[in-house]
Amino acid sequence: AQKITQTQPGMFVQEKEAVTLDCTYDTSDPSYGLFWYKQPSSGEMIFLIYQGSYDQQNATEGRYSLNFQKARKSANLVISASQLGDSAMYFCAMRDEGAGTALIFGKGTTLSVSS
Amino acid sequence: DGGITQSPKYLFRKEGQNVTLSCEQNLNHDAMYWYRQDPGQGLRLIYYSQIVNDFQKGDIAEGYSVSREKKESFPLTVTSAQKNPTAFYLCASRSSGYYNEQFFGPGTRLTVL
Repeated sequence: AQKITQTQPGMFVQEKEAVTLDCTYDTSDPSYGLFWYKQPSSGEMIFLIYQGSYDQQNATEGRYSLNFQKARKSANLVISASQLGDSAMYFCAMRDEGAGTALIFGKGTTLSVSS
Repeated sequence: DGGITQSPKYLFRKEGQNVTLSCEQNLNHDAMYWYRQDPGQGLRLIYYSQIVNDFQKGDIAEGYSVSREKKESFPLTVTSAQKNPTAFYLCASRSSGYYNEQFFGPGTRLTVL
């Protein structure tokens, strides 16, 4: 069965510093997609970045990059130059091809950015 | 602007009552999903629909029902059979672009009194 594991319940970082949020996954499918979403205190889920299993390069979107290590089954999110507005909960997710491409989520990591 | 709307934002229910959560999208997406989020937890799949007039149970469908009569609408009914319905409910639809990412509505927070 597919599974996402996020082992950091909370992370603390100062403004302008970089931070890495960990995500490991488990799947037997050779083709899969990994996502990161941000959930501010308002509750909405905001899509940040995507990594496909066959993508040759690590994904990047502005200040977000994904450290994808396929052999280790890890897909860590790196946020560079943290801002106060980055304080939120962050979820790693995997596409479940057996359930209409629904998403399987980890339990999330709460990121707190201080000035 | 295209997006997903959910209503109401907050909902209070007495035990034994059925309540319906609304989800509407104008993104022209075929696939739609309902997730439940409990405090400090990730999202879990309740139901999904890949096309009008068709839907499938997710991991935690017991005590819930859905319909998909229109492409734009995917309402979720929380029935009295759901033993612990207090949670945050999120509706999503899936893009058909390269990423196939899901777009989420703002959510409905349901509290059972």
